[in-house]
Amino acid sequence: QVQLVQSGAEVKKPGSSVRVSCKTAGGTFSSFGISWVRQGPGQGLELMGRIITVFGTTTYAQKFQDRVTITADKATSTVHMELSSLTSDDTAVYYCAKAFHPGSYLFDSWGQGTMVTVSS
Amino acid sequence: DIVMTQSPDSLAVSLGERATINCKSSQSVLYSSNNKNYLAWYQQRPGQPPKLLISWASTRESGVPDRFSGSGSGTDFTLTISSLQAEDVAFYYCQQYYDNGTFGQGTKVEIK
Repeated sequence: QVQLVQSGAEVKKPGSSVRVSCKTAGGTFSSFGISWVRQGPGQGLELMGRIITVFGTTTYAQKFQDRVTITADKATSTVHMELSSLTSDDTAVYYCAKAFHPGSYLFDSWGQGTMVTVSS
Repeated sequence: DIVMTQSPDSLAVSLGERATINCKSSQSVLYSSNNKNYLAWYQQRPGQPPKLLISWASTRESGVPDRFSGSGSGTDFTLTISSLQAEDVAFYYCQQYYDNGTFGQGTKVEIK
């Protein structure tokens, strides 16, 4: 079973950027599809984007296309998600999730979540 | 994008009774070449990340109690908890993974 361990909570100012990390343990990092899903306060689950680590290829949801960047560091088996131009609407818990197959969006492992608070 | 709509938004069921959650997709998630429905169900307990319960509309993940079952095909799906236990109090989400991945809005299950 692959384990995903995320970085700690963040508090950011409006207009700034945040970088959240997701370190993987177990499995073969170079064959993963890792997505980022966020959940606003009392809200549902929203897919932000994905990286397929073997190719380094990324796919972003249209809503986040201009503001999100997902990267993979093979040396540390870690995936990073950076979200820019933050507003209060970006206050949410951010999850990384591993797909059962690199090209899929069926998630069989999840990180513990990272709370990002955007406040002036 | 495929839109997923769950019903009801919440339900309260007595311990030991049946709970049924419905999920409807705006277009079919049945892939004709392999006859598989690209539909999953997740459970999210308070303060926890989602947990995959059922994939391919009806395949229970390893370790998931057999009181959980999934059914349906095409655009209409159901998650059934045959005998509700206290530990089943949670939000439940359906998700299609046919075309990218979109989730339903969630259904809150409580004890009556």
